[in-house]
Amino acid sequence: KAGVTQTPRYLIKTRGQQVTLSCSPISGHRSVSWYQQTPGQGLQFLFEYFSETQRNKGNFPGRFSGRQFSNSRSEMNVSTLELGDSALYLCASSSGTFHEQYFGPGTRLTVT
Amino acid sequence: AQKITQTQPGMFVQEKEAVTLDCTYDTSDQSYGLFWYKQPSSGEMIFLIYQGSYDEQNATEGRYSLNFQKARKSANLVISASQLGDSAMYFCAMREPGNQFYFGTGTSLTVIP
Repeated sequence: KAGVTQTPRYLIKTRGQQVTLSCSPISGHRSVSWYQQTPGQGLQFLFEYFSETQRNKGNFPGRFSGRQFSNSRSEMNVSTLELGDSALYLCASSSGTFHEQYFGPGTRLTVT
Repeated sequence: AQKITQTQPGMFVQEKEAVTLDCTYDTSDQSYGLFWYKQPSSGEMIFLIYQGSYDEQNATEGRYSLNFQKARKSANLVISASQLGDSAMYFCAMREPGNQFYFGTGTSLTVIP
């Protein structure tokens, strides 16, 4: 089985721009979660989608949004980028509540 | 209150020795899952081991074992026979029904040759 894939792997954007990141889960996994990882804040939960519905949401401003498609692929969008949004964004998929999450390689976003 | 607490920011272990990474959790649910992940310097998070709250035996996966002490709300990871490739960040996580995964702040493990 193919693992979780994320595109793009690296991205450089300017303050004020918006960005869309994509995640394709492992085949058969319906749960997709997004995380932001920075050296200072560690791993922060953004949101989780299950069968196209947002199931859980972390404590991030409304500039961060996401969605999930019928094929379980997910996108997250960050509008009006700030310097502090520079981070590694990780996507993870899972087949069930008490099943492990499998992570993608991440998208490293740099905001200048 | 923190859902997951990892009190060891950094640990050192001699190659071939065993090491224990501490993790305590906070939940009022009877049903939950506990997980450990490894993150090498490359950045990818790698799943290591899972323990369910109703599992009576400690989980083991190769050189990894989870020392589960339910009454103490403790889920320590034990790595036996450490290898240089074990040098990485290690994260403890928990999931309750209907909730997100909660991750700890991680422990940086360095294996010394």
